[in-house]
Amino acid sequence: QVQLVQSGSELKKPGASVKVSCKASGYTFTSYAINWVRQAPGQGLEWMGGINTNSGNPTYAQGLTGRFVFSLDTSVSTAYLQISSLKAEDTAVYYCARVRGAFDIWGQGTMVTVSP
Amino acid sequence: DIQLTQSPSFLSASVGDRVTITCRASQGISSYLAWYQKKPGKAPNLLIYAASTLQSGVPSRFSGSGSGTEFTLTIGSLQPEDFAAYYCQVLNLYPYTFGQGTKLEIK
Repeated sequence: QVQLVQSGSELKKPGASVKVSCKASGYTFTSYAINWVRQAPGQGLEWMGGINTNSGNPTYAQGLTGRFVFSLDTSVSTAYLQISSLKAEDTAVYYCARVRGAFDIWGQGTMVTVSP
Repeated sequence: DIQLTQSPSFLSASVGDRVTITCRASQGISSYLAWYQKKPGKAPNLLIYAASTLQSGVPSRFSGSGSGTEFTLTIGSLQPEDFAAYYCQVLNLYPYTFGQGTKLEIK
């Protein structure tokens, strides 16, 4: 079936980096963009940006600093979100989602906790 | 950038009630609006896209309407599993902003 499977929870110290993966299956990976959304504890959904799975061209939400990088490995149908120089405020659940008119398929979410 | 404002932010209702959530866009977005349901510990679930099209597998008690700047999500008869948070999202151009959310609680 069509699904996105994300990598597991991460506990990192401030200043470290993390790379979250989002593996697609059940459809042609390059047919639809992948977008990233996060939800900090007690907060709403925040759109972070997306990546064109054909061209690899990323688009980032305004205000999302250069610490966030979207990338792809189309050979394994996987999108990645890398966050460097982690801060406590990066603590959140990070979701990838397929864009087919709307965000119709979501990954299960990856909890990233940044704590000393 | 387009801003989305949902109302109300909190809604208390009973099983069997009919409820409506509104989403207002800061400028016209035609019908490029989606609605999601979000439960704690679960990924968001697409309910409605293109303002009024029911996503496959979503119960028919959910419906969406509107175009331009004002949109509504209606739940025809609340079921226990419907108590959750609901978000609208604009999808005409980047950024694909979400509304701030509406938390639907049991009265």
